[in-house]
Amino acid sequence: GQQLNQSPQSMFIQEGEDVSMNCTSSSIFNTWLWYKQDPGEGPVLLIALYKAGELTSNGRLTAQFGITRKDSFLNISASIPSDVGIYFCAGQTIMNRDDKIIFGKGTRLHILP
Amino acid sequence: EAGVVQSPRYKIIEKKQPVAFWCNPISGHNTLYWYRQNLGQGPELLIRYENEEAVDDSQLPKDRFSAERLKGVDSTLKIQPAELGDSAVYLCASSSFTYEQYFGPGTRLTVT
Repeated sequence: GQQLNQSPQSMFIQEGEDVSMNCTSSSIFNTWLWYKQDPGEGPVLLIALYKAGELTSNGRLTAQFGITRKDSFLNISASIPSDVGIYFCAGQTIMNRDDKIIFGKGTRLHILP
Repeated sequence: EAGVVQSPRYKIIEKKQPVAFWCNPISGHNTLYWYRQNLGQGPELLIRYENEEAVDDSQLPKDRFSAERLKGVDSTLKIQPAELGDSAVYLCASSSFTYEQYFGPGTRLTVT
């Protein structure tokens, strides 16, 4: 079946550092989504990407839809303590009424004091 | 705008007991999803509804899991009987025509 490889699995950084994480797949998707999940809460949508090559920003977050449609990355600039959490990528294929979505296993972001 | 509402937030039951989860999607969202999230993993789709029709239930373990979305708004997910391996967070999400999914806070189920 389809799988997403999300890396790194976890990151330990200093406050103020930039962060980069990515997702790759052997399958093609027509939408890439990035979510953040805090403990005890559901995932919150950060960025949605709809076109190959698309680069989209949301504040300090920037994400890109890979040109091959098989990968995506998320960058966070100048990290702050509230960035701590688990970041999930999701690849989605929407065709007619069929809507398939698959999530990566997450990147756990830790900020060192 | 109110988000996706789920209840209960936590549930502890003994194995072989039944359990039910409730979800109220964002107003106007026709599509509703139920996911299961195991510890350290991403959400995995169980069932997707378009209005009141279950259009994708291929990942729902039908021997013990059932779901319904009467009137195309609220939905319930039931497990009967629960097994130890069912311990997980059960997430509900909804979307409109953009297909961007918005998640509720989830129900954390512990089966002892």
